[in-house]
Amino acid sequence: DAKTTQPPSMDCAEGRAANLPCNHSTISGNEYVYWYRQIHSQGPQYIIHGLKNNETNEMASLIITEDRKSSTLILPHATLRDTAVYYCISHTDKLIFGTGTRLQVFP
Amino acid sequence: DAGVTQSPTHLIKTRGQQVTLRCSPKSGHDTVSWYQQALGQGPQFIFQYYEEEERQRGNFPDRFSGHQFPNYSSELNVNALLLGDSALYLCASSLVAPRGSPLHFGNGTRLTVT
Repeated sequence: DAKTTQPPSMDCAEGRAANLPCNHSTISGNEYVYWYRQIHSQGPQYIIHGLKNNETNEMASLIITEDRKSSTLILPHATLRDTAVYYCISHTDKLIFGTGTRLQVFP
Repeated sequence: DAGVTQSPTHLIKTRGQQVTLRCSPKSGHDTVSWYQQALGQGPQFIFQYYEEEERQRGNFPDRFSGHQFPNYSSELNVNALLLGDSALYLCASSLVAPRGSPLHFGNGTRLTVT
């Protein structure tokens, strides 16, 4: 079973930051937090992952709380193409997907 | 640099038949995982292959089997197809090391069982 909890849906205005929360209160000390997104009819796309420290790449930033029980994915300037289902996953050797957050970016 | 490629993209089969799906991993990757995604659901883990052996398996019956070849490519076989096997089948590749290396997915094979 998925070990993460995400809101089922969120809206964000184009150009604004999208902040997607994830609860992973049962995460183990050696488990990473991964974020993927899936646009309709395509395979999941890797976004970012982290263990303890905050991470940033060209797509997004990942903020992990000090107790590692939750994290937030930040898309700094959302565009219409960021509309997708976003999955937060905590695991090390295989990914267990939940139902994700459906992010709708509107003009 | 080619990503993960899967073939065919679409497939229609009849109940009771057998199907083979194929996957070529991202260049340099040595581990292949397979997932099943039913409509409206998140992907469900089927199994993972490394060094031509099944390393881990999800909650899927023995009708689902796989193989990994020396060039790291992989096949997923499903026997005695059921209507409920209709889904998007996703292949993902990764590196066994360093630990935590992310999976990279292909765009899947859409299987319809009639």
